[in-house]
Amino acid sequence: AQSVTQLGSHVSVSEGALVLLRCNYSSSVPPYLFWYVQYPNQGLQLLLKYTTGATLVKGINGFEAEFKKSETSFHLTKPSAHMSDAAEYFCAVSGDAGMRFGAGTRLTVKP
Amino acid sequence: DAGVTQSPTHLIKTRGQQVTLRCSPISGHKSVSWYQQVLGQGPQFIFQYYEKEERGRGNFPDRFSARQFPNYSSELNVNALLLGDSALYLCASSSRQGATTDTQYFGPGTRLTVL
Repeated sequence: AQSVTQLGSHVSVSEGALVLLRCNYSSSVPPYLFWYVQYPNQGLQLLLKYTTGATLVKGINGFEAEFKKSETSFHLTKPSAHMSDAAEYFCAVSGDAGMRFGAGTRLTVKP
Repeated sequence: DAGVTQSPTHLIKTRGQQVTLRCSPISGHKSVSWYQQVLGQGPQFIFQYYEKEERGRGNFPDRFSARQFPNYSSELNVNALLLGDSALYLCASSSRQGATTDTQYFGPGTRLTVL
C-alpha cells in the first residue's frame, strides 16, 4: 500500500527565506504525488502534482517540488517565503482506495 | 464556475444521534470522495463514489454510509455518533473515477462537533 511521511510537524522561517517541507513516500508502483495547502478553517487547495515525466514540478504561488526516486522523496520548496504562505501543508499519494495524506507540516513565517 | 460546495458549514450533535452531510461537486465532475480530518491530522479516506456506485471504501465502521444521486451530488451519513467522530469532513470531486492521475478538488468542509 502507498503511504507518505512528512518530516517535521512544524517549520518556521523568516520572511524572504527558503521554504523546504519534506515528504517521503512508500509505494510498490510508480507513485502519483501531490502537495496541498490548507488555510485555517478552509478546505485543501492543490499546489502541485507529479504523475509522470519531468521530475521537477512547478505549482502555484511560486512553489515547486522535485520527485527523486532514488531517495523516495518529494520535497516542497519555495525560494522566498511570504507572510501569506503561513498555513498547513499536506503531502499525499494516490492509492488504490482514495488518497493517502501525511500528517501535515505547519509553516510559520516570521516577519 | 462554482467549486465544490458542502453543507452545513458547522454542526453540533450529541452522542448517539445521526447526521447527514451534503456535497455538490464541480459541474461536470462525476466522482465524489469523502474524507475525515481529525484536528491535527491529515485527511483520512472514507468513501469514493462514481456514477452513483461505491468505488472505494476506507477503514471506517459500518456506521458510516454514503450515496450519490443522479446529479452527482452526494450525502454522507453517520449513525450512532461517538465523541471521536468530531472532525472536519471534506468532500472532493474529480472528473474521472480514480484519483490515480486525476486531481481531486476539495470543498471547504463541514465541521462536526459531537458532545
